[in-house]
Amino acid sequence: SQTIHQWPATLVQPVGSPLSLECTVEGTSNPNLYWYRQAAGRGLQLLFYSVGIGQISSEVPQNLSASRPQDRQFILSSKKLLLSDSGFYLCAWRPYTGTTQETQYFGPGTRLLVL
Amino acid sequence: AQTVTQSQPEMSVQEAETVTLSCTYDTSESNYYLFWYKQPPSRQMILVIRQEAYKQQNATENRFSVNFQKAAKSFSLKISDSQLGDTAMYFCAFMKQPNDMRFGAGTRLTVKP
Repeated sequence: SQTIHQWPATLVQPVGSPLSLECTVEGTSNPNLYWYRQAAGRGLQLLFYSVGIGQISSEVPQNLSASRPQDRQFILSSKKLLLSDSGFYLCAWRPYTGTTQETQYFGPGTRLLVL
Repeated sequence: AQTVTQSQPEMSVQEAETVTLSCTYDTSESNYYLFWYKQPPSRQMILVIRQEAYKQQNATENRFSVNFQKAAKSFSLKISDSQLGDTAMYFCAFMKQPNDMRFGAGTRLTVKP
């Protein structure tokens, strides 16, 4: 079966510090991968998605960047965090093929607080 | 642009009763997918149910069912025999393109004992 991991679960960082959040998927090959941000009490906003190694599409111009160094690894980064980067970050994956290829499956999320 | 509207920020229901959460969406497309996700206090997003727009039959998953009205662009979720574990935020989502899923703002559901 497929599983998705995110770490860290919680992170408190000062303004201006760098950021690296990691997401890995097990049990599947060539998944589509996604990074979402959820502000407090709000819905999800798509930040980045990737259809393959080294292929990143950005949905919203911002202080963040994403990379996909391996097939099942997706990293969200920032060189200098802003207060507005605080939120809950969710990674998701979608099967490349199969009967549920339209469905996205989410990881447990990372809670980021920038002070 | 596709938008998803959940007009009920909060709802409550007594345990064992039935509750319906509303969702409307705006699109000019004919082929798309609709989803309901549940986010309990742990904040893990869990798929509840999905519906393909080309299917006329409403999707059902155990106690969860949808009322899909394509002409009205409405996609409501009915939870029967509500349980305490159903307490969560519920998000309606629309997807036309595989990499373009749009979420509503969510409905906070509380199941009361």
